[in-house]
Amino acid sequence: SFDLTQPPSVSVSPGQTARITCSGDALPKQYAYWFQQKPGQAPVLVIYKDTERPSGIPERFSGSSSGTTVTLTISGVQAEDEADYYCQSADSSSTYWVFGGGTKLTVL
Amino acid sequence: QVQLVESGGGVVQPGRSLRLSCAASGLTFSSYGMHWVRQAPGKGLEWVAVIWYDGSNKYYGDSVKGRFTVSRDNSKNTLYLQMNSLRAEDTAVYYCARDTNNSGMDVWGQGTTVTVSS
Repeated sequence: SFDLTQPPSVSVSPGQTARITCSGDALPKQYAYWFQQKPGQAPVLVIYKDTERPSGIPERFSGSSSGTTVTLTISGVQAEDEADYYCQSADSSSTYWVFGGGTKLTVL
Repeated sequence: QVQLVESGGGVVQPGRSLRLSCAASGLTFSSYGMHWVRQAPGKGLEWVAVIWYDGSNKYYGDSVKGRFTVSRDNSKNTLYLQMNSLRAEDTAVYYCARDTNNSGMDVWGQGTTVTVSS
C-alpha cells in the first residue's frame, strides 16, 4: 500500500485562490484524482488524471502535478466551494486504491 | 441519466453479516469496473474494494480483506458487497462508484449507512 498526505485545512477569502496539495511517493508514476464532498452528500469528481476537468465542473477548478506533489487550485473561490476535498490515486497494477486524508476548505 | 442506488444498510451486531446492493441504471453496467468506498462518521474516505467489469478480478483494502466479498450480477445491473464478521469499526456510510479507465470514479451513489453495534 502507499499513502497520500493532504493538509487538514485551508482557508481563503472569497475571490482569492485556494491551493490544496497532496503528496505521495507514487504520484510521479500514477495519476491523481480530486473529489469535492459537501456535508451529507456523496463525493463529486472535480479533476481526473492530474489535470483534466470533467464536464460540468467550473473552469475555476484546475489541477497540476510536480514530482511527488499534485495540487488542486480553485481560482476566484466562491462560498459554494466550501467543502472537503480528497485526492486519490492507485498503484501501478490497479489493485489498490488510496484516498488522502482530506482537506477542509473554509471560505472566510 | 447515470444513477447508482445503494441499499441494504442497517444496524447489525458485531460478528454478524450484512449484504449491500448497488443498483445501476442509465449506463452499460457490464462495461465498467465498480468500487465500494466507505466513510466512517466524521472521518475521510476509505477505499474498500473493486471488481472488474466482468467480475474476473477483485481487490480489497487491507482492513476488510478476508471478511468482505465484492460481486456483481451484470444481468441485473447490480453490484454487491457481502460483509462478514462485522466490527464496530466497519460503521460507515458505504458508497458504490463507477470506474472508467479514462476518468476514474466518475459517478457515485448516495450511500447507505451501516452501523455495527450491540
